[in-house]
This record gives sequence, C-alpha cells and structure tokens, in this order.
Amino acid sequence: DGGITQSPKYLFRKEGQNVTLSCEQNLNHDAMYWYRQDPGQGLRLIYYSQIVNDFQKGDIAEGYSVSREKKESFPLTVTSAQKNPTAFYLCASRKETGGMNTEAFFGQGTRLTVV
Amino acid sequence: DQQVKQNSPSLSVQEGRISILNCDYTNSMFDYFLWYKKYPAEGPTFLISISSIKDKNEDGRFTVFLNKSAKHLSLHIVPSQPGDSAVYFCAASFGGTSYGKLTFGQGTILTVHP
Repeated sequence: DGGITQSPKYLFRKEGQNVTLSCEQNLNHDAMYWYRQDPGQGLRLIYYSQIVNDFQKGDIAEGYSVSREKKESFPLTVTSAQKNPTAFYLCASRKETGGMNTEAFFGQGTRLTVV
Repeated sequence: DQQVKQNSPSLSVQEGRISILNCDYTNSMFDYFLWYKKYPAEGPTFLISISSIKDKNEDGRFTVFLNKSAKHLSLHIVPSQPGDSAVYFCAASFGGTSYGKLTFGQGTILTVHP
C-alpha cells in the first residue's frame, strides 16, 4: 500500500524541549512538504524539499528545522525556539514531473501539544 | 500577505442542492489550482484541479471554474450529499524557482443537511 505515514499521531512536549515528527513516503515522490494548521486557519507552509539533500524555508520556518537525507523521509524538528508549537502538523509529498503540475498527497497528521 | 483567500468561513446547503465554494487569489503567477477536502484530525484529500490554460474542469459531481481576469475560482458540487460535509481548501502553485510550493486558503466549512 503506497502512501505517506506520519508518526506519532499525538505528541506531547514539555516547554523547552525539542521534538521530531516523522514523515515517510513510499510513493517515490520527489518533493515533500511540512504544513501547520491552527484552529480556524488554513495550512501554512513550514519547509519544503524538492530533492534529496536540499530544502527551502516556507512562510513560517522560524523555530523549525528539517533534513532530507533520503528520498523517502522528511523529518521535522520543532525546537524550543518555536514560541507557539501547539498545532496540527501535516506532511505532504508530490511527484515532480519536469514542469507539469501534479497534486500533493497528505499524511494523516500529528497533533503536537506543549504541556 | 494572504495570497489565496476563502472569504466565506462556512456554507450550509440542503441535500440535493448545489454547493458553491469560492476562492480568490492575488498572485497572477499562479498557474495551477487545486481543491482539497478535509475531515477533523485527518489529512486533506485531493478533489480536483485546474490548470490556468483552462476555465473549467469536471469530475463527476465536482466542477471547478477558473476566471483568470477576476483571479477567482469556484468549486461546484452537484448534487450535494451529507457525506460532503467537511472543510474545503483551495490551493495554488506556480512554476519557476518556487515550483512545487502550494499556497492554501483558510478553508470553508461545508455542512450539507439531510
């Protein structure tokens, strides 16, 4: 079964701690994304990566870090520098087709709560 | 700067009638538009898309219309069903150095009453 897997589904973090959210895909997609959703708001882009070992900041990258060492994996670290980390985090992937647009596929999300 | 806007936070429709969800954008570089459906605590699922070279795309009960001069797109669902009740997001992207980046609107909550 091809798809995107995010883990864990629920995550609790103490203030001042870093935490890493996992995102794995077996769709052979080149591009991967991290979005954040807050209540009543749309999806805001944190980071994205179009190829292995390369990634770009999105609109709200401060307090977050990512890595893209493998095509299948794009983990997101929420650092202690992120002032308001409690949110629903969504990972997505998209097949790059050399100029043709395609849809993005999303994982089921991770709800992070700072306690 | 919100480049993609969905100005209606919610929409309520009777079962069997048409649902029309609207989306406006400000960046004329956008050349590909998508609609996603989302249930609470789940990831969005792709519904339908349209390229800027078209003004209409249809898939079953779902039709997306694009008006480039007005920088406006809409999603029509006919006939609406109770299972369509969800949050609907429009999204946009364009090529060049930002190829692949998807920008989302705030979402519209659709409720279809039996």
